[in-house]
Amino acid sequence: DQQVKQNSPSLSVQEGRISILNCDYTNSMFDYFLWYKKYPAEGPTFLISISSIKDKNEDGRFTVFLNKSAKHLSLHIVPSQPGDSAVYFCAASAGTASKLTFGTGTRLQVTL
Amino acid sequence: GAVVSQHPSRVICKSGTSVKIECRSLDFQATTMFWYRQFPKKSLMLMATSNEGSKATYEQGVEKDKFLINHASLTLSTLTVTSAHPEDSSFYICSGFGGRKNEQFFGPGTRLTVL
Repeated sequence: DQQVKQNSPSLSVQEGRISILNCDYTNSMFDYFLWYKKYPAEGPTFLISISSIKDKNEDGRFTVFLNKSAKHLSLHIVPSQPGDSAVYFCAASAGTASKLTFGTGTRLQVTL
Repeated sequence: GAVVSQHPSRVICKSGTSVKIECRSLDFQATTMFWYRQFPKKSLMLMATSNEGSKATYEQGVEKDKFLINHASLTLSTLTVTSAHPEDSSFYICSGFGGRKNEQFFGPGTRLTVL
């Protein structure tokens, strides 16, 4: 039972444009959401997080939006850069100190 | 951010042998460490949660006698894959929970190949 889903396995975006990565969840106990960036054969690197008391969190080029009623979150990267090319995982937990449930990942390719 | 190291980064072993993977939090104390496993092109699957000084909590379907976890100190957790078989070949990643902002920080992972 995949409680966190990323329905797009891959996404290609031109440099300078906006990248939008989507994530859906089913467990209503989740109240903390994170996005990680991962390169092959490396551990995930934390990008940005959001608590369920907020609907938006911004950090530089990265913005995460949370729609609790739809159980949906998205990561916006603008402007996209070639160095952003990687696999992006969304993750969710019930509480900030709890175990993470990861989505299946979306491979982002930023082209020149 | 805080740093978590894993050793070894890559290991190849024969079927039937045991392999130990170390996970260390280098600049913070990790009261909780998590062990994940990732198959090629798949998500990270949580295997177990370990708290310093107590027994690990394993996720459903993970054999605790096969994947031995020891959280000996606030900076070290080890995962031992006992009697490894080819199907245990995978990418194992640990994370430590702690630091100034109480976040999870991931190690670089260990690629295990069982021949």
